Amino acid sequence: SAVISQKPSRDICQRGTSLTIQCQVDSQVTMMFWYRQQPGQSLTLIATANQGSEATYESGFVIDKFPISRPNLTFSTLTVSNMSPEDSSIYLCSQNSPGQGNPEAFFGQGTRLTVV
Amino acid sequence: GQSLEQPSEVTAVEGAIVQINCTYQTSGFYGLSWYQQHDGGAPTFLSYNGLDGLEETGRFSSFLSRSDSYGYLLLQELQMKDSASYFCAVRDAGTGANNLFFGTGTRLTVIP
Repeated sequence: SAVISQKPSRDICQRGTSLTIQCQVDSQVTMMFWYRQQPGQSLTLIATANQGSEATYESGFVIDKFPISRPNLTFSTLTVSNMSPEDSSIYLCSQNSPGQGNPEAFFGQGTRLTVV
Repeated sequence: GQSLEQPSEVTAVEGAIVQINCTYQTSGFYGLSWYQQHDGGAPTFLSYNGLDGLEETGRFSSFLSRSDSYGYLLLQELQMKDSASYFCAVRDAGTGANNLFFGTGTRLTVIP
C-alpha cells in the first residue's frame, strides 16, 4: 500500500495567476505521475516526474504551462501557470506500487481547482 | 498512442450482475487494470489482467482477451455502494516509464 498526500485539496483562483500543488508520498519512488481530470471526464496523464531529470510531458501539455519539480524521491510539485477558466479541473498525483511487478497504482485525493 | 473505449453510463438493480466493457488500442500493451472512483474520491485499484482469461476478486471479476483487444469488469451481487465511475487502464511499457492511460470511464448507478 501507499499513502499519497496532496495539498491544497481545493482552491479558487483568479485567472492569470498560478497555483502550485504539492504531492508527498510515503515511500521512495523513482517516478511520480500527474493527471488532470475535468468534471465528469476520465483521467488524462499530464507528465511523468523523474527525480533528478526533467519531467516528460504528454502530447498537449507543455512545461511552460505545467512546470513540475521533483526535488527528491518522495515529493513533487505541479504548477498550473497563467490560469484560465479552462484549467478548472481536478489534478491528481500518482505513484506506481513500490512492489516489483505489482500493477497497482495509487492516487492522491486530488486538488479541485476552480479558476474564476 | 492509446485509446480505450467504455460505455458512458450503466444502470443496474441492487443484487444484480453488471458487465462493463473496455476495448483498447495501444502501441505497447502491458496489462489491463480496472479502477473505481467514487464522486470526490481518488481512483482505487480493483483488478488486473496481464494474461488472457478471468481474474476473480470477491464480487468483482475481470476478463481479458488480448487477441480481441477487449476486456470487461463483472460486478456481482451489486450493492448501492458500488455506484461509482469505473475506468479501465493500460500500462504502456513502450514509453519505458510504465505510464498508466485510462479509458473514457463508465458511470454505474445502482438502483434499489
